[in-house]
Amino acid sequence: DGGITQSPKYLFRKEGQNVTLSCEQNLNHDAMYWYRQDPGQGLRLIYYSQIVNDFQKGDIAEGYSVSREKKESFPLTVTSAQKNPTAFYLCASSRQGKGSPLHFGNGTRLTVT
Amino acid sequence: SQQGEEDPQALSIQEGENATMNCSYKTSINNLQWYRQNSGRGLVHLILIRSNEREKHSGRLRVTLDTSKKSSSLLITASRAADTASYFCATDDGGFKTIFGAGTRLFVKA
Repeated sequence: DGGITQSPKYLFRKEGQNVTLSCEQNLNHDAMYWYRQDPGQGLRLIYYSQIVNDFQKGDIAEGYSVSREKKESFPLTVTSAQKNPTAFYLCASSRQGKGSPLHFGNGTRLTVT
Repeated sequence: SQQGEEDPQALSIQEGENATMNCSYKTSINNLQWYRQNSGRGLVHLILIRSNEREKHSGRLRVTLDTSKKSSSLLITASRAADTASYFCATDDGGFKTIFGAGTRLFVKA
């Protein structure tokens, strides 16, 4: 079955440590996205990539970094510079094109103490 | 930036009733989408309506779009307890970003 896999489902880190969240898709989609969701709120775009080896900042990119070395993979690193990293992180992918429907993974819940 | 805003923030209805959620947005769009999210899970795409369409149906879902008012509504007919979830509208920014509203939490009582 095609889909998006995010791992791990739960992640705990100490403040000051960098942490990398995994996102893999086998849908052959060109575009991939990272969103952050805080309790009771909508999704905010962190980074997105339309094609391999290219990515753009979203609305809240500060304190985060990404890479897109392979079409299937779009890992997100939450750095120690991110002031409030505890959140639910969602990865998504879509076909190339403006406004294409997004397919989401089931998220990683990151807790930093 | 938040393009879409849903109304109401929360909605509680009895099973069998209809549920209506509204979404307003700020700038011109290519299309508008509705998604559903069960607690602690990823979002699932429900329906997409293009800017030149006024109404679209999918099963028990009916979506309308009024570009002159920059608003959309999602109607779920004959609701079921399993429809309990958060519902989000999403719009493009004219480019490649998809921007989500804060969502409507729907609770359907059995």
